[in-house]
Amino acid sequence: DTAVSQTPKYLVTQMGNDKSIKCEQNLGHDTMYWYKQDSKKFLKIMFSYNNKELIINETVPNRFSPKSPDKAHLNLHINSLELGDSAVYFCASSHPSAYEQYFGPGTRLTVT
Amino acid sequence: GNSVTQMEGPVTLSEEAFLTINCTYTATGYPSLFWYVQYPGEGLQLLLKATKADDKGSNKGFEATYRKETTSFHLEKGSVQVSDSAVYFCALSDKTGTASKLTFGTGTRLQVTL
Repeated sequence: DTAVSQTPKYLVTQMGNDKSIKCEQNLGHDTMYWYKQDSKKFLKIMFSYNNKELIINETVPNRFSPKSPDKAHLNLHINSLELGDSAVYFCASSHPSAYEQYFGPGTRLTVT
Repeated sequence: GNSVTQMEGPVTLSEEAFLTINCTYTATGYPSLFWYVQYPGEGLQLLLKATKADDKGSNKGFEATYRKETTSFHLEKGSVQVSDSAVYFCALSDKTGTASKLTFGTGTRLQVTL
C-alpha cells in the first residue's frame, strides 16, 4: 500500500490556467505538508496542516491555496499559473509527536 | 534562521569506494537531523535520523553522527554500490507545535560507477 500518494504525477498546462494537485496519506498521521522543489533540486516548505488546521504558511503567493478536507488529505490549488511555478511539488506527512516526515512521489508541474 | 550546508556535487565514486558527504547546520535550539535520499524520478525517502547530540543514525550501511560541537552530521558509507546513485539531502527539523518544519540542504548528487 502506498503511504503518501499524489495525483497527478505529471501536469503540463499553460500560463494563466488554474490547476489542483491532490495528496492522500494512509499512515494515520495528523500533520501534512507541501514542499516545492525547484529546477536545482532545492526543497522549500510551503504549507503545513494539522488535522485540517493551517499551521505553517511560508511566504507563498496568494495564488497558492491549500485545502484539507480531512486529516488524510491535503490538496494544493494554484490559480493563474506562471512560468516560475514550474517545479516538482511534494506532499509529506508526519505524526505530531515525531520529527521525521514521509514524502509522496511528487508532482512535476510544467507551465508553458 | 536555520540553515543547512552540504558539500557541492556531483560526487563520482567507483563501486566499493568509501563515501563521505559533508553536512553542517546552523540552528537555534536542538534540532533533529536527517538524511533523505532521492533516487532518479522518485520522491524523497528517509534514510536515517538522529534526534540528539552524539546519536548515530544508521540504515542500509549508511551512518551519520550528530556532532553538536562541530554542528555537523556527515553521511558515510564504507562501500558504495551502483544502486546508491542518487541525490542525498541533509535536513534539520524545527518543531513548531504539532508541525516539524524541515530545512534542507541543496542536495549532493552521488554517481557510482563500476
